[in-house]
Amino acid sequence: EPEVTQTPSHQVTQMGQEVILRCVPISNHLYFYWYRQILGQKVEFLVSFYNNEISEKSEIFDDQFSVERPDGSNFTLKIRSTKLEDSAMYFCASSAKGLGTEAFFGQGTRLTVV
Amino acid sequence: AQSVTQLGSHVSVSEGALVLLRCNYSSSVPPYLFWYVQYPNQGLQLLLKYTTGATLVKGINGFEAEFKKSETSFHLTKPSAHMSDAAEYFCAVSGGSYIPTFGRGTSLIVHP
Repeated sequence: EPEVTQTPSHQVTQMGQEVILRCVPISNHLYFYWYRQILGQKVEFLVSFYNNEISEKSEIFDDQFSVERPDGSNFTLKIRSTKLEDSAMYFCASSAKGLGTEAFFGQGTRLTVV
Repeated sequence: AQSVTQLGSHVSVSEGALVLLRCNYSSSVPPYLFWYVQYPNQGLQLLLKYTTGATLVKGINGFEAEFKKSETSFHLTKPSAHMSDAAEYFCAVSGGSYIPTFGRGTSLIVHP
Protein backbone atom coordinates (compact mmCIF):
# COMPACT_ATOMS: atom_id res chain seq x y z
CA GLU A 1 0.00 0.00 0.00
CA PRO A 2 1.39 3.41 -0.93
CA GLU A 3 2.54 5.49 1.98
CA VAL A 4 4.17 8.79 2.82
CA THR A 5 7.67 8.32 4.18
CA GLN A 6 9.60 10.78 6.28
CA THR A 7 13.25 10.90 7.24
CA PRO A 8 14.79 11.07 9.72
CA SER A 9 12.41 9.75 12.37
CA HIS A 10 14.22 11.77 15.02
CA GLN A 11 16.50 14.77 14.62
CA VAL A 12 18.39 16.51 17.38
CA THR A 13 19.93 19.86 16.58
CA GLN A 14 21.52 22.72 18.39
CA MET A 15 19.74 26.03 18.67
CA GLY A 16 20.62 28.28 15.76
CA GLN A 17 21.37 25.45 13.36
CA GLU A 18 19.48 24.75 10.15
CA VAL A 19 17.58 21.50 9.65
CA ILE A 20 15.99 19.89 6.64
CA LEU A 21 13.15 17.46 7.12
CA ARG A 22 12.51 15.16 4.22
CA CYS A 23 9.36 13.57 2.90
CA VAL A 24 8.47 11.35 -0.02
CA PRO A 25 4.76 11.79 -0.76
CA ILE A 26 2.64 9.20 -2.49
CA SER A 27 3.68 9.23 -6.11
CA ASN A 28 0.47 10.27 -7.88
CA HIS A 29 -0.57 12.84 -5.31
CA LEU A 30 -0.71 16.51 -6.20
CA TYR A 31 -1.12 18.32 -2.87
CA PHE A 32 1.51 18.31 -0.17
CA TYR A 33 1.39 19.58 3.37
CA TRP A 34 3.49 20.09 6.45
CA TYR A 35 1.94 20.06 9.90
CA ARG A 36 3.54 20.20 13.31
CA GLN A 37 2.50 18.94 16.72
CA ILE A 38 4.15 20.40 19.77
CA LEU A 39 4.12 17.87 22.58
CA GLY A 40 0.70 17.70 24.19
CA GLN A 41 -0.84 20.18 21.78
CA LYS A 42 -2.93 19.96 18.66
CA VAL A 43 -1.79 19.26 15.14
CA GLU A 44 -1.16 22.64 13.49
CA PHE A 45 -1.10 23.38 9.78
CA LEU A 46 2.09 24.97 8.49
CA VAL A 47 1.97 25.03 4.71
CA SER A 48 0.47 23.45 1.62
CA PHE A 49 2.14 23.05 -1.75
CA TYR A 50 0.55 22.52 -5.12
CA ASN A 51 1.77 22.85 -8.67
CA ASN A 52 5.29 23.60 -7.48
CA GLU A 53 4.40 26.52 -5.30
CA ILE A 54 3.05 27.33 -1.89
CA SER A 55 -0.74 27.47 -2.06
CA GLU A 56 -1.46 28.35 1.55
CA LYS A 57 0.51 28.94 4.71
CA SER A 58 -0.30 29.64 8.31
CA GLU A 59 1.01 32.45 10.47
CA ILE A 60 3.43 29.96 11.98
CA PHE A 61 5.15 29.57 8.62
CA ASP A 62 7.31 32.68 8.72
CA ASP A 63 10.60 33.51 7.02
CA GLN A 64 12.34 30.92 9.16
CA PHE A 65 10.65 28.19 7.17
CA SER A 66 10.81 27.18 3.54
CA VAL A 67 9.63 24.24 1.47
CA GLU A 68 10.90 22.75 -1.71
CA ARG A 69 10.19 19.92 -4.09
CA PRO A 70 13.64 19.61 -5.56
CA ASP A 71 13.35 16.56 -7.77
CA GLY A 72 9.71 15.67 -8.36
CA SER A 73 9.61 13.07 -5.60
CA ASN A 74 10.98 14.59 -2.40
CA PHE A 75 9.24 17.34 -0.48
CA THR A 76 11.39 19.11 2.10
CA LEU A 77 10.85 21.49 4.98
CA LYS A 78 13.82 23.67 5.90
CA ILE A 79 13.96 25.42 9.23
CA ARG A 80 16.65 28.08 9.48
CA SER A 81 18.20 29.14 12.76
CA THR A 82 16.20 26.74 14.91
CA LYS A 83 14.79 27.83 18.24
CA LEU A 84 13.91 25.79 21.31
CA GLU A 85 10.22 26.30 20.58
CA ASP A 86 10.63 24.61 17.19
CA SER A 87 10.88 21.30 19.03
CA ALA A 88 7.88 19.31 17.84
CA MET A 89 6.73 16.39 15.74
CA TYR A 90 6.58 17.42 12.10
CA PHE A 91 4.19 15.57 9.83
CA CYS A 92 4.23 15.53 6.08
CA ALA A 93 1.03 14.67 4.24
CA SER A 94 -0.17 14.36 0.69
CA SER A 95 -3.50 14.07 -1.04
CA ALA A 96 -4.56 13.18 -4.55
CA LYS A 97 -6.92 16.08 -4.92
CA GLY A 98 -8.02 19.02 -2.85
CA LEU A 99 -11.28 19.57 -1.07
CA GLY A 100 -12.81 16.56 0.61
CA THR A 101 -10.11 14.06 -0.17
CA GLU A 102 -8.16 12.22 2.44
CA ALA A 103 -4.73 13.44 3.39
CA PHE A 104 -2.27 10.62 3.97
CA PHE A 105 0.23 11.31 6.71
CA GLY A 106 3.77 10.13 7.25
CA GLN A 107 5.10 8.77 10.52
CA GLY A 108 6.52 12.14 11.45
CA THR A 109 9.94 13.49 12.33
CA ARG A 110 10.52 14.35 15.95
CA LEU A 111 12.68 17.46 16.05
CA THR A 112 14.43 18.26 19.30
CA VAL A 113 16.26 21.56 19.55
CA VAL A 114 18.77 21.74 22.40
CA ALA B 1 -13.11 30.12 8.59
CA GLN B 2 -13.20 26.63 10.04
CA SER B 3 -12.44 25.19 13.44
CA VAL B 4 -12.87 22.05 15.50
CA THR B 5 -13.55 21.59 19.19
CA GLN B 6 -12.97 18.24 20.80
CA LEU B 7 -14.57 18.02 24.23
CA GLY B 8 -12.38 16.24 26.74
CA SER B 9 -8.64 15.87 26.34
CA HIS B 10 -8.87 12.42 27.95
CA VAL B 11 -11.61 9.81 27.87
CA SER B 12 -11.33 6.69 29.99
CA VAL B 13 -13.45 3.57 29.42
CA SER B 14 -13.43 -0.04 30.47
CA GLU B 15 -12.77 -2.75 27.94
CA GLY B 16 -16.09 -3.72 26.36
CA ALA B 17 -17.75 -0.39 27.14
CA LEU B 18 -19.10 2.14 24.68
CA VAL B 19 -16.63 4.66 23.31
CA LEU B 20 -17.89 8.19 22.62
CA LEU B 21 -15.49 10.89 21.52
CA ARG B 22 -17.04 14.29 20.90
CA CYS B 23 -16.32 16.68 18.07
CA ASN B 24 -18.02 19.93 17.18
CA TYR B 25 -17.04 21.96 14.17
CA SER B 26 -17.47 25.39 12.74
CA SER B 27 -17.47 26.00 9.02
CA SER B 28 -18.87 28.73 6.82
CA VAL B 29 -19.63 26.22 4.07
CA PRO B 30 -20.77 22.57 4.09
CA PRO B 31 -17.91 20.74 5.73
CA TYR B 32 -15.94 17.66 5.03
CA LEU B 33 -15.16 15.92 8.31
CA PHE B 34 -12.50 13.41 9.29
CA TRP B 35 -11.43 11.35 12.24
CA TYR B 36 -7.78 10.35 12.47
CA VAL B 37 -6.11 8.04 14.99
CA GLN B 38 -2.54 8.29 16.20
CA TYR B 39 -1.00 5.31 17.96
CA PRO B 40 2.09 5.93 20.10
CA ASN B 41 5.11 6.92 18.04
CA GLN B 42 3.19 6.63 14.79
CA GLY B 43 1.69 8.95 12.22
CA LEU B 44 -1.93 9.86 11.68
CA GLN B 45 -4.20 7.22 10.18
CA LEU B 46 -7.62 7.97 8.75
CA LEU B 47 -10.44 6.23 10.62
CA LEU B 48 -13.35 7.57 8.60
CA LYS B 49 -14.58 10.60 6.73
CA TYR B 50 -17.80 12.35 5.81
CA THR B 51 -18.05 14.23 2.55
CA THR B 52 -21.61 14.00 1.25
CA GLY B 53 -24.48 11.52 1.33
CA ALA B 54 -25.26 9.24 4.25
CA THR B 55 -24.73 11.00 7.55
CA LEU B 56 -23.75 7.84 9.43
CA VAL B 57 -20.27 6.90 8.35
CA LYS B 58 -18.56 3.63 9.16
CA GLY B 59 -14.82 3.38 9.42
CA ILE B 60 -12.09 0.94 10.27
CA ASN B 61 -11.77 -1.03 13.50
CA GLY B 62 -15.52 -0.87 14.22
CA PHE B 63 -15.71 2.91 14.61
CA GLU B 64 -18.47 5.04 13.20
CA ALA B 65 -19.48 8.69 13.31
CA GLU B 66 -22.65 10.59 12.59
CA PHE B 67 -22.76 13.99 10.95
CA LYS B 68 -25.43 16.14 12.58
CA LYS B 69 -25.72 19.45 10.81
CA SER B 70 -28.21 20.92 13.28
CA GLU B 71 -25.81 20.25 16.14
CA THR B 72 -22.62 20.95 14.12
CA SER B 73 -21.29 17.70 15.51
CA PHE B 74 -19.41 14.66 14.26
CA HIS B 75 -19.04 12.42 17.30
CA LEU B 76 -17.07 9.19 17.05
CA THR B 77 -18.44 6.00 18.61
CA LYS B 78 -17.60 2.35 19.00
CA PRO B 79 -19.97 -0.08 20.72
CA SER B 80 -17.31 -2.05 22.56
CA ALA B 81 -13.84 -0.78 23.41
CA HIS B 82 -10.79 -2.95 22.98
CA MET B 83 -7.43 -2.49 24.64
CA SER B 84 -5.90 -1.91 21.22
CA ASP B 85 -8.11 1.17 20.75
CA ALA B 86 -6.00 3.12 23.23
CA ALA B 87 -4.62 6.01 21.18
CA GLU B 88 -4.97 9.71 20.40
CA TYR B 89 -7.95 10.62 18.24
CA PHE B 90 -8.18 13.76 16.16
CA CYS B 91 -11.22 15.27 14.53
CA ALA B 92 -10.57 17.45 11.47
CA VAL B 93 -12.66 19.66 9.21
CA SER B 94 -12.08 21.06 5.77
CA GLY B 95 -14.64 23.61 4.73
CA GLY B 96 -13.97 26.48 2.42
CA SER B 97 -10.31 25.54 2.40
CA TYR B 98 -9.23 22.08 1.28
CA ILE B 99 -6.71 22.04 4.09
CA PRO B 100 -7.84 20.03 7.09
CA THR B 101 -7.96 21.87 10.41
CA PHE B 102 -7.44 19.62 13.40
CA GLY B 103 -8.86 19.62 16.88
CA ARG B 104 -6.66 19.34 19.97
CA GLY B 105 -7.11 15.60 20.14
CA THR B 106 -8.65 13.24 22.67
CA SER B 107 -6.61 10.57 24.36
CA LEU B 108 -8.60 7.34 24.74
CA ILE B 109 -7.60 5.22 27.72
CA VAL B 110 -8.97 1.68 27.92
CA HIS B 111 -8.93 -0.13 31.26
CA PRO B 112 -8.98 -3.93 31.50
